[in-house]
Amino acid sequence: GAVVSQHPSRVICKSGTSVKIECRSLDFQATTMFWYRQFPKQSLMLMATSNEGSKATYEQGVEKDKFLINHASLTLSTLTVTSAHPEDSSFYICSADSGSGETQYFGPGTRLLVL
Amino acid sequence: GIQVEQSPPDLILQEGANSTLRCNFSDSVNNLQWFHQNPWGQLINLFYIPSGTKQNGRLSATTVATERYSLLYISSSQTTDSGVYFCAVEEGGGFKTIFGAGTRLFVKA
Repeated sequence: GAVVSQHPSRVICKSGTSVKIECRSLDFQATTMFWYRQFPKQSLMLMATSNEGSKATYEQGVEKDKFLINHASLTLSTLTVTSAHPEDSSFYICSADSGSGETQYFGPGTRLLVL
Repeated sequence: GIQVEQSPPDLILQEGANSTLRCNFSDSVNNLQWFHQNPWGQLINLFYIPSGTKQNGRLSATTVATERYSLLYISSSQTTDSGVYFCAVEEGGGFKTIFGAGTRLFVKA
C-alpha cells in the first residue's frame, strides 16, 4: 500500500513553454501533498505544501506565479512550471501524507530539462 | 529554522562491511524519518523513528530525541545498498519537513 505516482517521469521542453506534472496517491487519500525540488547531488528542498481544496503554501523564495500548484482532489495534486527557463531544469518530487502524521510517501520524481 | 546535519557526507564500503550514519538536529522535532534514494531517484521509506530503536532486517535505527540525534546502522552491506541516505525531520508545531544533506554511500563488490 501507500503508493504515489508521478507523471511524466521525464520531460524535455523548450524555453518559454509550460509543463504540468501530476502527483497521485493511488491507494490512499492524501490530506496534504508536498512538492520538492532536487538539484544534482543536493538535498531535497521543499517548494510548497498543498491541502485539498485550498491554496498552496509556498516556501520563502519560491515564486507562486511561476510554480502553480492545484490540489483538486484527495488523490491528485499538480505542479505547473509556467514559462519554463533552463534554470528550472531539475528533479521535481512530490510526496503525500495520509493524515496519520507519521510517514510521507514519495513519488518517483519527474526530471525536467528545459532547453 | 531547524538545522539538520548528516555525517559522513560520503562513504565507501566493501561489501559485507557494517556502517553507522548519523543525523544531528538543532531543535525538538515532531518526527524523524530515514530514507534511501536509489540511483534512479526514488525515495524509499526506511524508518519513521521520532524516538527509540527499530530494526528491519539488516537495517536498524536509533533516535535519542533528548540529545537531538539519530543513527542509522547498516550491517553486512550489499551493493544494492548504494545510494543516498537522507534524514528528514518535521519541525515542531508544523508540517514542514526538513531534509539533511544526505550521506552518499557506495558499496563495492
